[in-house]
Amino acid sequence: DAGITQSPRHKVTETGTPVTLRCHQTENHRYMYWYRQDPGHGLRLIHYSYGVKDTDKGEVSDGYSVSRSKTEDFLLTLESATSSQTSVYFCAITLGQGARSYGYTFGSGTRLTVV
Amino acid sequence: TQLLEQSPQFLSIQEGENLTVYCNSSSVFSSLQWYRQEPGEGPVLLVTVVTGGEVKKLKRLTFQFGDARKDSSLHITAAQPGDTGLYLCAGARYGNKLVFGAGTILRVKS
Repeated sequence: DAGITQSPRHKVTETGTPVTLRCHQTENHRYMYWYRQDPGHGLRLIHYSYGVKDTDKGEVSDGYSVSRSKTEDFLLTLESATSSQTSVYFCAITLGQGARSYGYTFGSGTRLTVV
Repeated sequence: TQLLEQSPQFLSIQEGENLTVYCNSSSVFSSLQWYRQEPGEGPVLLVTVVTGGEVKKLKRLTFQFGDARKDSSLHITAAQPGDTGLYLCAGARYGNKLVFGAGTILRVKS
């Protein structure tokens, strides 16, 4: 068990408010990722991190920012939530420590509703 | 446009039937994974294939990676209700980043 925890599991927020989702891992993995999952689109990469303070954008990064001040925590922030950001958000880590991907371990997800 | 196209999008079959799910792309991948996801949970890795033409078996599930490393298939023999779920393929192109197909929803009726 890779020990990856997402919080909160569910959140309802109002349009225009800031929201921060947290991903916590316990096994010192270097690579961490934030994805969103929407019907018909599968999982789409928002941002990823390859170490403390090292982050980069994914394919759907507009409206999102991330921070990684410690190895174990990767935070996703919606600066001003919009209804189009209603989704299920998943955090993931890469199995193994090498640069080549042999698969991810995912958290249980955060269901975010923006009203 | 999805980089990885999965088909079919939805499959409803009777217990005991066989099925195949396809994952196709025009791009070459260094590795390809299959995941299964249940409602309210994150995807769980089933298998990773890395070599063109590779075949892996996991009990009743058979995974194949195309010779050109652009496509893959998942075959389930004698499906059971416990196989019900969302099946996702994902390909690695640059480093550790994965791109996912839209998924195949499988329902196995008893």
